[in-house]
This record gives sequence, structure tokens and C-alpha cells, in this order.
Amino acid sequence: EAGVAQSPRYKIIEKRQSVAFWCNPISGHATLYWYQQILGQGPKLLIQFQNNGVVDDSQLPKDRFSAERLKGVDSTLKIQPAKLEDSAVYLCASSSPLGERRTQYFGPGTRLLVL
Amino acid sequence: SQQGEEDPQALSIQEGENATMNCSYKTSINNLQWYRQNSGRGLVHLILIRSNEREKHSGRLRVTLDTSKKSSSLLITASRAADTASYFCATDAGAILTGGGNKLTFGTGTQLKVEL
Repeated sequence: EAGVAQSPRYKIIEKRQSVAFWCNPISGHATLYWYQQILGQGPKLLIQFQNNGVVDDSQLPKDRFSAERLKGVDSTLKIQPAKLEDSAVYLCASSSPLGERRTQYFGPGTRLLVL
Repeated sequence: SQQGEEDPQALSIQEGENATMNCSYKTSINNLQWYRQNSGRGLVHLILIRSNEREKHSGRLRVTLDTSKKSSSLLITASRAADTASYFCATDAGAILTGGGNKLTFGTGTQLKVEL
């Protein structure tokens, strides 16, 4: 089966600009996650969707970050305006209610550099 | 905030040797998972151990869990150069949800280098 797809793979922007990332989860996976991974650290959950509803966005900096999952499939994560400290890899993951419910499948990530 | 802390931060061994990584966490958990991350394949799930389990095996991987000490270890036996990667523990401590996964909190990772 196809894995989690993300685009773009790399993005370089200047501070105060806006940027958007796209994620297409594994077909049939109801739960979708966005993580931020700063260099040298483990991934940190930003937001979790169950179908098209938000389950947890407690660590999402809502003054500049937004995310949506229209129709319960694809998702976009936006940063506006970007700050230098937003430089990181943004990972999308999905999981299924079938089989092993606790396993998350990760995409390749989008590497963001804010100058 | 990071829930788990891996130890050591970096580990370098020779091919064929065993590698052991440890993870400590702070709160009660539903399960603990180990993931591997390298530049070629991204973040990949390795193994999951539930809070009522003490040991689990998968191929060359052996995971132990001690909930009284809030710690886990990952043992990779007969290591290969292809095992070179960063290894993360992740704890699932959220409330049980229906129909999907749960919130994972990742540790800081152990960088493993396996030399020929």
C-alpha cells in the first residue's frame, strides 16, 4: 500500500513570510497527526485529527500555525508569519482503527528553513 | 515537553555487536513504542510494548518494560551497518479514543552508529 505522502520536501523562506505543507495519509486511515521535529530533538505533536475533527491541538501555536483536514482525507498545515525558530522538519503521520491501533505511519517530512 | 529521555545520547559499535538503548519516562502509560529514523526512510515504527507486558521480541529486537521504574530498554542483537540511525522511544499516555490512534510523546533519541 502507498505510504503517507508529503509535499514539498524542502522549503526555504524568509521570516515573516507564510508557508503551507500538504499531507495525504494512507488510504482509510482516520487519524492524522502533524509533528514538528527540531534538529537534535524528538518529534513533538502539533495537532491530531480524527476524520475532519480536531482531537488535540494543545501544542499548536495558534497565533501563527493553523491546520485543516477538509473531507477527512488530505491535510494542510500553515505557518503565518514564520519565525526563525520554526525551522524544523514537519512530519505527518496517520493511523488506522484496524489492526494495531497504536501504530503511526510517518511520511518523509518537509524540511523548513526560515532565514 | 519531552516525556522520554533516551540514554545514551550517542552509541558507536562494531558490526556484529549488540546495542542497548534505554528510555525513561515520567507518567503512567498505555504502551511504549520504539521508532527508528534515518535519512533514507524517515521515521519507522519498530515495536510496541503494552503496559502489562514486560518483554517483547521482534526479529533481532528485544524490548523490556519496567513500569515500576518507568523505564524501557531496546536491545538490537548482531547489529549491522544498516542499523545506523536515530532511535526514539515514544509513550502513549492519552485517554483511550475509539477508532484511531493516540497521542505519542517522543524522547530525545539515541544516535546509533554501526561501523564495519
